[in-house]
Amino acid sequence: ETVLTQFPGTLSLSPGERATLSCRASQRVTSSHFAWYQQRPGQAPRLLIYGASSRATGIPDRFSGSGSGTDFTLTISSLEPEDFAVYYCQQFDSSPITFGQGTRLDI
Amino acid sequence: QVPLVQSGAEVKKTGASVKVSCKASGYTFTSYGINWVRQAPGQGLEWVGWISAYSGNIKYAQKFQGRVTLTTDASTSTAYMELRSLRSDDTAVYYCARSSDYSYADWFDPWGQGTLVTVSS
Repeated sequence: ETVLTQFPGTLSLSPGERATLSCRASQRVTSSHFAWYQQRPGQAPRLLIYGASSRATGIPDRFSGSGSGTDFTLTISSLEPEDFAVYYCQQFDSSPITFGQGTRLDI
Repeated sequence: QVPLVQSGAEVKKTGASVKVSCKASGYTFTSYGINWVRQAPGQGLEWVGWISAYSGNIKYAQKFQGRVTLTTDASTSTAYMELRSLRSDDTAVYYCARSSDYSYADWFDPWGQGTLVTVSS
């Protein structure tokens, strides 16, 4: 099983600041089989980034993804109030599909 | 129009079974697959399995093999997840999410609103 470790566990920032979230895989993941999701309180997760760096439909360009191999990054260039949520990384390169434990982005 | 609408909350006894539905709309149901993911209270996301609404091919996470059954009904554009022999640690919100019709290996978009399943003795 590919274990995804996200860090930091919690990130405390203010609106307008830049956020950098990391996800490390226990084994190499094909970039096209890597995604990021956002989950706001009481809501279902929402796809943000697929293929490690492609924004999903309707996702603002302040969100960007990068990385390859075992290290992937989600960057939010300038935080808006609605960005404070939990973010999960996902790999579907090998079964079972796994998610990271999440990074909570707090004000 | 919400693409995936799930059935309502369930309360079950230990050892019972639960069947959660996920009704699709606004797209061709048989052109995609449906994944099921669960989230225990305050915890992260755990993949349960995938079914192709086109071919009926299924992939279960090994952890749930033998205890879960995924099905689809193309006539009503609805996917189902049945989980048997419920335990207290099955208490979670269960989500359906759309993905590829030909492989479990795909991103999930969109997601249903979730169904809370509570298991108690």
